[in-house]
Amino acid sequence: GDSVTQMEGPVTLSEEAFLTINCTYTATGYPSLFWYVQYPGEGLQLLLKATKADDKGSNKGFEATYRKETTSFHLEKGSVQVSDSAVYFCALISGGSYIPTFGRGTSLIVHP
Amino acid sequence: SAVISQKPSRDICQRGTSLTIQCQVDSQVTMMFWYRQQPGQSLTLIATANQGSEATYESGFVIDKFPISRPNLTFSTLTVSNLSPEDSSIYLCSVVGSGGSTGELFFGEGSRLTVL
Repeated sequence: GDSVTQMEGPVTLSEEAFLTINCTYTATGYPSLFWYVQYPGEGLQLLLKATKADDKGSNKGFEATYRKETTSFHLEKGSVQVSDSAVYFCALISGGSYIPTFGRGTSLIVHP
Repeated sequence: SAVISQKPSRDICQRGTSLTIQCQVDSQVTMMFWYRQQPGQSLTLIATANQGSEATYESGFVIDKFPISRPNLTFSTLTVSNLSPEDSSIYLCSVVGSGGSTGELFFGEGSRLTVL
């Protein structure tokens, strides 16, 4: 079955540091890939997505590129802020389903 | 997009009791989903609730433990029955919003349940 593997957290960074959160996947066919973010006390919200190989999703300074050859969708941001502190979930959808398969989530803590 | 309100936002319950969580959406949606988010773990889909039909439960979840109602296209409830400490989790309601692309789910803020 489909699966998503994310790096373990928490990831702790100082403000303005570079962020990478690794995500790899296993899926049949060609899935669509997503990053969701969950700020403290809130539900998840879509951060960015990519629907085919080599697509780059971007939003709020975050980027992720759909790499079919390495089955990866790593999340990056050049300069994190304290307000980016949240839990980040990588997810995929395949086979025409409406229901994503989520990774375990990676907690990001950004210190001033 | 879709705006989802969940109630209660948090509750503390005694072992053996039940808790009903409400989910209200600001637009009509066909499919509503209930997830469980245990501490340090990913989201686990409990069931899909479709209006006018029985909910579809995922492996490991049964109707007796997690009865779901879906009386109309904007509302659903999830009951967690016969509570035990292992049921302590965040429960999330989500929908595929009208006009939303496949895979884009909208989530409520979650209901944090603690069972003593």
